[in-house]
Amino acid sequence: GESVGLHLPTLSVQEGDNSIINCAYSNSASDYFIWYKQESGKGPQFIIDIRSNMDKRQGQRVTVLLNKTVKHLSLQIAATQPGDSAVYFCAEKSIAAGNKLTFGGGTRVLVKP
Amino acid sequence: DGGITQSPKYLFRKEGQNVTLSCEQNLNHDAMYWYRQDPGQGLRLIYYSQIVNDFQKGDIAEGYSVSREKKESFPLTVTSAQKNPTAFYLCASSIGLALGETQYFGPGTRLLVL
Repeated sequence: GESVGLHLPTLSVQEGDNSIINCAYSNSASDYFIWYKQESGKGPQFIIDIRSNMDKRQGQRVTVLLNKTVKHLSLQIAATQPGDSAVYFCAEKSIAAGNKLTFGGGTRVLVKP
Repeated sequence: DGGITQSPKYLFRKEGQNVTLSCEQNLNHDAMYWYRQDPGQGLRLIYYSQIVNDFQKGDIAEGYSVSREKKESFPLTVTSAQKNPTAFYLCASSIGLALGETQYFGPGTRLLVL
């Protein structure tokens, strides 16, 4: 079936550097994409979202880029901090699938001091 | 203090036993969801409810049951038919099922089999 997946399972980043987390999706009918952050033993926390009619959206220290041509989504975190250490999930919704969330497998980000 | 609460934080199940996980929200959200998360993996949808007294199966509903008698509550029962129940269970809610409506998650319940 359709799925959302991630390229890298673990990303090590030096504190202060920028992080880029990538996500490939296979459902070309996806209408909406979300990034979640999950700290150990906790529930996922919403970071940022983007609709399929956009290619870029910025939040506080985060930017999401969407390339529909190659079905690729990325999350950029500027000036990565120790508190950014977590697992990051991309998720997608499509109207055709009843707007249910489909999650990718997650990327662990480790911030080195 | 608004949010989603799940209890207990840890739950132990014996062979052949049914257990119920609690999820409560005071966000006045209509839609609620249950997900299962296995180690190192993403979340998979078990059941969801768009409104009180209505619920639908997700992708992995076998061995689970739910009820939605009140807007703020969506308990999940893990039955003895679920042969591999050990996982982290997450409840979420959203205003509705519309495309742009964000799902907010509770802190989770970790279920272990004795």
